[in-house]
Amino acid sequence: DVQLVESGGGLVQPGGSLRLSCAASGFTFSRDWMHWVRQVPGKGLVWVSHINSDGTTTTYADSVKARFTISRDNAKNTVYLQMNSLRAEDTALYYCVRDSAGVASWGQGTLVTVSS
Amino acid sequence: DVVMTQSPLSLSVPLGQPASISCRSSQSLVHSDGNTYLSWLQQRPGQSPRRLIYKVSNRESGVPDRFSGSGSGTDFTLRISRVEAEDVGIYYCAQGTHWPPFTFGQGTKLEI
Repeated sequence: DVQLVESGGGLVQPGGSLRLSCAASGFTFSRDWMHWVRQVPGKGLVWVSHINSDGTTTTYADSVKARFTISRDNAKNTVYLQMNSLRAEDTALYYCVRDSAGVASWGQGTLVTVSS
Repeated sequence: DVVMTQSPLSLSVPLGQPASISCRSSQSLVHSDGNTYLSWLQQRPGQSPRRLIYKVSNRESGVPDRFSGSGSGTDFTLRISRVEAEDVGIYYCAQGTHWPPFTFGQGTKLEI
């Protein structure tokens, strides 16, 4: 079974940084694109970033461009999201998502709270 | 950006009755490779989203056959033939044809 386990969330002050990790198992990680999608509790889903299978291509939502960096380590079956210059509006549950003809498999999420 | 518009945003359906959710995209979701990357997700209360349907009408493994997807171009529909108690939650359509960004509908809340 596909398993995606996010970690690294927490409380951070505005302007601070966090690095999220997502450990993947149950599929051939190195073959698949991966995404980060976020959700403010009680609100809808918002795509944040994507990375291709070998890490050479990344894309970002305009709202996080130049502040967030997605990366992956195929030897460790892990995808990361480095989040810098965090703002209150980045507060959300962040999901790691495997791509298979779209947003296929979702982790349980890790909560990021940006507040002073 | 492709805007995904769902309707209705909420619906209440008696147990055993059918339900239907519409999703419209602001442009055709037919990809240059011939596929249409339209998915339907279910998010039960307190849980992560789970994909039910991919490429318009393909059910994920383990998804009950009371769920079906249809449509083409810009108009898509998720149907539940007979609603069960476990179907309560929020349903999202999602497109992966024109990106970035990948985009989602606003969500439709299903209640019994």
